[in-house]
Amino acid sequence: DAGVIQSPRHEVTEMGQEVTLRCKPISGHDYLFWYRQTMMRGLELLIYFNNNVPIDDSGMPEDRFSAKMPNASFSTLKIQPSEPRDSAVYFCASSRLISYEQYFGPGTRLTVT
Amino acid sequence: AQKVTQAQTEISVVEKEDVTLDCVYETRDTTYYLFWYKQPPSGELVFLIRRNSFDEQNEISGRYSWNFQKSTSSFNFTITASQVVDSAVYFCALSAVRSNYQLIWGAGTKLIIKP
Repeated sequence: DAGVIQSPRHEVTEMGQEVTLRCKPISGHDYLFWYRQTMMRGLELLIYFNNNVPIDDSGMPEDRFSAKMPNASFSTLKIQPSEPRDSAVYFCASSRLISYEQYFGPGTRLTVT
Repeated sequence: AQKVTQAQTEISVVEKEDVTLDCVYETRDTTYYLFWYKQPPSGELVFLIRRNSFDEQNEISGRYSWNFQKSTSSFNFTITASQVVDSAVYFCALSAVRSNYQLIWGAGTKLIIKP
C-alpha cells in the first residue's frame, strides 16, 4: 500500500503569494492531520479531520491559513497571503482511529522569501 | 497536564555500542498510548511503536527494544549494536483522552552514531 502522499515536496515562494499544499492519506484511514515543524517550536498540530470533517482547528495560526478535505482521499492546506515566518516543513499524517499510530507523509518544505 | 520529557537533547556513541533513549511522561488518564517515532536526516517521520497503558510487556523488534514502566512513568527505547543508519532524531509521544487523543510530543533526542 502507498503511504501518505504529499505535494509539492519543496515550495519556494515570495511573501504575499498564495501557497497550496496537498495531501493524499492512506486509504481506509478516517483521520487526517496537518502539522508544522520548525526548529523553534518543534511539531505543532494545525488541524485534523475525521471522515472529511474538520474537528479541531485550534492550532491554525491565523486566518491566513485554511484547510479543506473535499473527499476521503484528498486534503489541502492553503496559506494566503504567505509570510516569511510561515517557512517550515508541513507534514500531513493519517490514522485509522484517533488513538492509533499516525503515518506521516514525506513533508513539504516551504520557504517564503 | 499531559507532558512528555526527553531529557537527552543529543547522544553520540560509536557504532556497535548499545544506547538507551529516555522518555518520561505525565498524565492523569488511566488509558493512554505511548509512541516512538524516528526522523532521519532525510526528514520523514517514521512510526516505530505504539503501546497502550494496559500492556506493560517489553517489546523487542530486531535491535530495537522498549521498556515500559508505569511505576516510573517511563517508556525507554534501547538500540542494541547501534549502526550509522540509526542516526536520527527520535521522538516520544503521548496520546490520552484529556488531550482528545492528540499526540503530545517530546522535544526529541538527536542520536549520532559514529563509524
